[in-house]
Formats: sequence, structure tokens, C-alpha cells
Amino acid sequence: AQRVTQPEKLLSVFKGAPVELKCNYSYSGSPELFWYVQYSRQRLQLLLRHISRESIKGFTADLNKGETSFHLKKPFAQEEDSAMYYCALRRYGNGSSNTGKLIFGQGTTLQVKP
Amino acid sequence: DTEVTQTPKHLVMGMTNKKSLKCEQHMGHRAMYWYKQKAKKPPELMFVYSYEKLSINESVPSRFSPECPNSSLLNLHLHALQPEDSALYLCASSQTLIGSPLHFGNGTRLTVT
Repeated sequence: AQRVTQPEKLLSVFKGAPVELKCNYSYSGSPELFWYVQYSRQRLQLLLRHISRESIKGFTADLNKGETSFHLKKPFAQEEDSAMYYCALRRYGNGSSNTGKLIFGQGTTLQVKP
Repeated sequence: DTEVTQTPKHLVMGMTNKKSLKCEQHMGHRAMYWYKQKAKKPPELMFVYSYEKLSINESVPSRFSPECPNSSLLNLHLHALQPEDSALYLCASSQTLIGSPLHFGNGTRLTVT
């Protein structure tokens, strides 16, 4: 079964501090991992996907298959980073009735204080 | 047009009403999704369509009936809902089922009285 765990409901840091939002997953096949962000009163937006290996808004995330983790990191938090962050997993590959099923972790609220 | 558009933004309906939620995208995406999101909870998958065919039904009660009339449109027909069905209903689309990220709409805030 697919499962995504975000252990922290709330992460509160000061502006300029480093940020790490944790995400662990369990899945027996090849996963696609994503980070989505939901700013106040805005739609859910894609932040990062592991396939792209890019940095968006200063955030990076590396897929660690050994630890089954996809933690989101930023070296210096900004107040505008305050939002709800969801880690999500999707089956990667063809030939399954569950192909395309994207499931979300419980989410972590990031609060960046001035 | 790079957005997923959902109408209406808000909907209040009684338990005996029949209503529909609409979702539209013009990005040429061939996979479309319905999610339900309760307050301070993650989105929960309801249905997935791929090339206008129902691909996944997450054991959703029959009072929710999805429809994909063409590749740009996705509807969710509602009938005899319960107050606990009140939630934010999100539509999403992606180019295909795999290898492409989901783009979400703003959602329809549904209240069942």
C-alpha cells in the first residue's frame, strides 16, 4: 500500500533560519514524489517533483530511496514561505489499476516569524 | 490558458437537492481528477479519468456521480447528499496519468444543509 507520512503538523521558525520539512513514504514499487504548497486562500500548487531535481523558490528536495524519504529543505526561510506543505506520492509506471493515484501526507504548516 | 477552472465557487444545497460541480481545462490534459478536502486535512482522491474513461473510483458513495463529457470537461453530479459531505471539492488535471504533475483548481466550497 502507498503511504506518506509527514510527522510534523506545525513547524515554526524565524526568518533567515534553515527549514526542513520531513516526508517519509512506504511503497513497494517505483514512486513519483512531489511537494505541493497551499498558501492562504490560494489553490494547491506544485512546488517540486523528484524527477526534475530543480530548485524552486530556494527549496530543494532529494529522494532517498534507502531511507524512503523526500525531505524539503530551504537554507534561509522567508516570511512569504508561510503556508501548508503537502508531500505526495504517485505510482510511476504502466500496467496497474492504481496508476495515476496521487496520495497526500497529512501536511505540515510552516510558520515563518519575523 | 494554464488554469483549471471550477464553478461554482460556493454551493449550498439541501439534502434532497440535485446539483452539479463543473471543472474545465484547456491545457490539452487527458487525465482529470476529483478530490475532496475537509478543513485542515489533505485532499482525498475520489475519481480519476483518463482519456474520458473512468480509471479509478475510490469506493465513493453513489450519491456522487462523475461524468467526463469530453477531454476538457469534468462534472460531479450530486444527489441526496449528507451534511458530512460538506467540504472543498477540488478538480485537477494532468497531461497523462504518469510522469506529469497535477494542476489543481481553486475548488468548490460545498455546504449541505
